[in-house]
Amino acid sequence: DQQVKQNSPSLSVQEGRISILNCDYTNSMFDYFLWYKKYPAEGPTFLISISSIKDKNEDGRFTVFLNKSAKHLSLHIVPSQPGDSAVYFCAASDSGTYKYIFGTGTRLKVLA
Amino acid sequence: DAGVIQSPRHEVTEMGQEVTLRCKPISGHNSLFWYRQTMMRGLELLIYFNNNVPIDDSGMPEDRFSAKMPNASFSTLKIQPSEPRDSAVYFCASSPGGGAGNTIYFGEGSWLTVV
Repeated sequence: DQQVKQNSPSLSVQEGRISILNCDYTNSMFDYFLWYKKYPAEGPTFLISISSIKDKNEDGRFTVFLNKSAKHLSLHIVPSQPGDSAVYFCAASDSGTYKYIFGTGTRLKVLA
Repeated sequence: DAGVIQSPRHEVTEMGQEVTLRCKPISGHNSLFWYRQTMMRGLELLIYFNNNVPIDDSGMPEDRFSAKMPNASFSTLKIQPSEPRDSAVYFCASSPGGGAGNTIYFGEGSWLTVV
């Protein structure tokens, strides 16, 4: 049973436009959420996170939005750049455990 | 600072052989995770340790898989006997602590091919 879901396996966006990557979760105990970026042949690297006490966190071109009632989070990249082309994973954690559960990933392609 | 170090980076083995993947977490981190990446399931959590103790191994696919953490700076994931369906990228990750507020840091992965 997939507790963290990324329903879009891929996304293509024109350079300079906004990229929106979505993630849904089912476990209401999750209280910390992270986004990771992964280039081919490399390990995932941390991008941005958000605690459940917030509904938005911004870091430069990257903003994560959390909608707890809908159990939904999204990552916005503005403006998108070709170097952003990668696989993006969302992850969720329950502070009562040590688990980080990841989604299946969305492959973003930013077209020059 | 050294990140999470995994070895081997690539392994090709024949079905039925034993495979051992190794991980050195970031110094000072007390949580260690083993993940497997596949197309169908994304990053799948296999097992995680806290202070060298296995906390949850419910993600380990079957008895052919085992993991150990004999000390704070070393962990192994063993597959015996290996099967072609075990072919995947295996990631080790570590964290300074569990739960909210902590980021986990990944190694570069061990690419396993079982033929």
